[in-house]
Amino acid sequence: DTGVSQDPRHKITKRGQNVTFRCDPISEHNRLYWYRQTLGQGPEFLTYFQNEAQLEKSRLLSDRFSAERPKGSFSTLEIQRTEQGDSAMYLCASSLGTSGYNEQFFGPGTRLTVL
Amino acid sequence: AQKVTQAQTEISVVEKEDVTLDCVYETRDTTYYLFWYKQPPSGELVFLIRRNSFDEQNEISGRYSWNFQKSTSSFNFTITASQVVDSAVYFCALYSNSGYALNFGKGTSLLVTP
Repeated sequence: DTGVSQDPRHKITKRGQNVTFRCDPISEHNRLYWYRQTLGQGPEFLTYFQNEAQLEKSRLLSDRFSAERPKGSFSTLEIQRTEQGDSAMYLCASSLGTSGYNEQFFGPGTRLTVL
Repeated sequence: AQKVTQAQTEISVVEKEDVTLDCVYETRDTTYYLFWYKQPPSGELVFLIRRNSFDEQNEISGRYSWNFQKSTSSFNFTITASQVVDSAVYFCALYSNSGYALNFGKGTSLLVTP
């Protein structure tokens, strides 16, 4: 399977704990996006990378959130001191090229539940 | 500001009925792109179509068709002869150069019953 993969698929944590998610994009895709989706809503943009450079962050991405893509391949999204409001599905997508209008391929998501 | 409105929250149809999902968008940019994605119960978003603002031709792909009308800022999606496998949440999304990523609507949940 050469699609976008995300790990873990589900994460349950207690409030205040740190969590880290991983995304492996389609090989050779130079753009990688993180979105957050809550129940009954569409995905909301968090941040994106062009190769290893993080080019934009949404105001949704508070200081407790950090994302990396160290070698321009996989990416990690870390949430520190989790809050109940962080409970959501975190989606990763990748695309080829340098434009945001290219087709984005989405992974299955990581569902985070903060107790 | 960019905005995508999918006014229909949920739609329920009986198999073989035709169904249209509405999408209205707002943008100040003259160059933009519109998308439809399908999110089945498994959760993974699946790309269906992309349209740029300069191409108002309607598109048909099998049982799916799309009607893009700049005059009403709409990009509606019709499924002909719906099937149970069409049951999913469908998202309309907008991209323009003044944004950084796709701007999604809230989605329309389609339930097709036998």
